Amino acid sequence: GAVVSQHPSRVICKSGTSVKIECRSLDFQATTMFWYRQFPKKSLMLMATSNEGSKATYEQGVEKDKFLINHASLTLSTLTVTSAHPEDSSFYICSARDSATNEKLFFGSGTQLSVL
Amino acid sequence: GENVEQHPSTLSVQEGDSAVIKCTYSDSASNYFPWYKQELGKGPQLIIDIRSNVGEKKDQRIAVTLNKTAKHFSLHITETQPEDSAVYFCAASLYDMRFGAGTRLTVKP
Repeated sequence: GAVVSQHPSRVICKSGTSVKIECRSLDFQATTMFWYRQFPKKSLMLMATSNEGSKATYEQGVEKDKFLINHASLTLSTLTVTSAHPEDSSFYICSARDSATNEKLFFGSGTQLSVL
Repeated sequence: GENVEQHPSTLSVQEGDSAVIKCTYSDSASNYFPWYKQELGKGPQLIIDIRSNVGEKKDQRIAVTLNKTAKHFSLHITETQPEDSAVYFCAASLYDMRFGAGTRLTVKP
C-alpha cells in the first residue's frame, strides 16, 4: 500500500520553542494533505487541510498563526507548532490524499509532542 | 457538514468469534467509506473501503456493508484473532473525510 512518512515520531521541547513536523508521501503524489490532532483514547480531530501551492484551510478554533502549515510540493507538507506551550502536547497525525484516485487517504505514523 | 456516529465505543470478543462495528452518516452525498485500524502509538491504517455504488465488499476475514438508503455502514471481522485488537475508525467522505469516534476492539485469547 501507499506509504506516508512522518517525522519526527517523538519530540520533547521547552515551552516557547517551535517544532516542525514533516509529512511525506513516498510513492504517490498528494495534492491535498490533512493534519489531525488526537488526544488519548479519542478520535482524530481535523486541524487543517493543506493544498499544494496554496494556503491551508483551518478548522474553526484552530489558530493559523500558531499552527503554520506549508505544502510546497506534491509530496511534502509541514506543520510548525510555534511558541509551543504544554497545552499543545498531543499526538499529531498527517494524512495524504492520493491524487490519482482523489479518494483514498493514507496516514503517517504520528508525532508525539511533549512540551515541558 | 458530515457527521459520523460509530457504535459501540468498546467491544470485547473471544478469539474466533465475529465482531461487528456500525456507523451512520448524515450527508447523503458522501460517496466513499473507508475503515481504519489504529494500533497504540501509530497512525491509522486503511484496512478496507467501499464506494457508494457498491453494497458489500469482502477481503479475507474483513467485510464492509453499506446501506445508502438508511445511511449506515458496518465492518464485519470474522474468526477474530488477538492481533485484531486495536481501535477501529469508520469515515465518510465526499471531499472532506470525517471520522467516527472509534471502537476499541479487544480479542481475548
